[in-house]
Amino acid sequence: DGGITQSPKYLFRKEGQNVTLSCEQNLNHDAMYWYRQDPGQGLRLIYYSQIVNDFQKGDIAEGYSVSREKKESFPLTVTSAQKNPTAFYLCASSTRVDYNEQFFGPGTRLTVL
Amino acid sequence: AQSVTQLGSHVSVSEGALVLLRCNYSSSVPPYLFWYVQYPNQGLQLLLKYTSAATLVKGINGFEAEFKKSETSFHLTKPSAHMSDAAEYFCAVRDYTGGFKTIFGAGTRLFVKA
Repeated sequence: DGGITQSPKYLFRKEGQNVTLSCEQNLNHDAMYWYRQDPGQGLRLIYYSQIVNDFQKGDIAEGYSVSREKKESFPLTVTSAQKNPTAFYLCASSTRVDYNEQFFGPGTRLTVL
Repeated sequence: AQSVTQLGSHVSVSEGALVLLRCNYSSSVPPYLFWYVQYPNQGLQLLLKYTSAATLVKGINGFEAEFKKSETSFHLTKPSAHMSDAAEYFCAVRDYTGGFKTIFGAGTRLFVKA
């Protein structure tokens, strides 16, 4: 089955620690995205990548970093510089065609203690 | 720039009643529009999309949406609500500023009463 996997489902970290969230897709999509979701605020774009070895900042990139070394993988690191990292993080992917939708992973809920 | 506004952060209907979730968009070019559904602690799933073919778009689970250019709207409807429809719904529009990005509305949470 083709799809997007995110791991782990739940993640707990102490304040001041960096943490990396995994996102893998086997849909052969060129574009991948990371969103943050907070209650009542919808989805906010953190970073996106249109192609391997290239990525751009989204609307709320401060305190986050990404890499795109492989087409299938787009890991997100939440650094200690992120002021309020507790949130639900969603990874998505799409083809590079305007009218095509994004496919979403199941999400990772990060709680910083 | 493209944008999406969803009217009503919460909508409550009785089981069997009409579901109407409102979405208005702003776009300087013909838009590509989407409705997604999210169940608790899960990712988003596409319900339907408008790509300038038919103005009435049918989606999964009995949902449909009508594109009205004159009203810049893309409201989501379902004739008869089911308990399993309780979820959060997001309207979205393709962002033409580059990067194949999508702009999402703030979401509408649908409650279905027995």
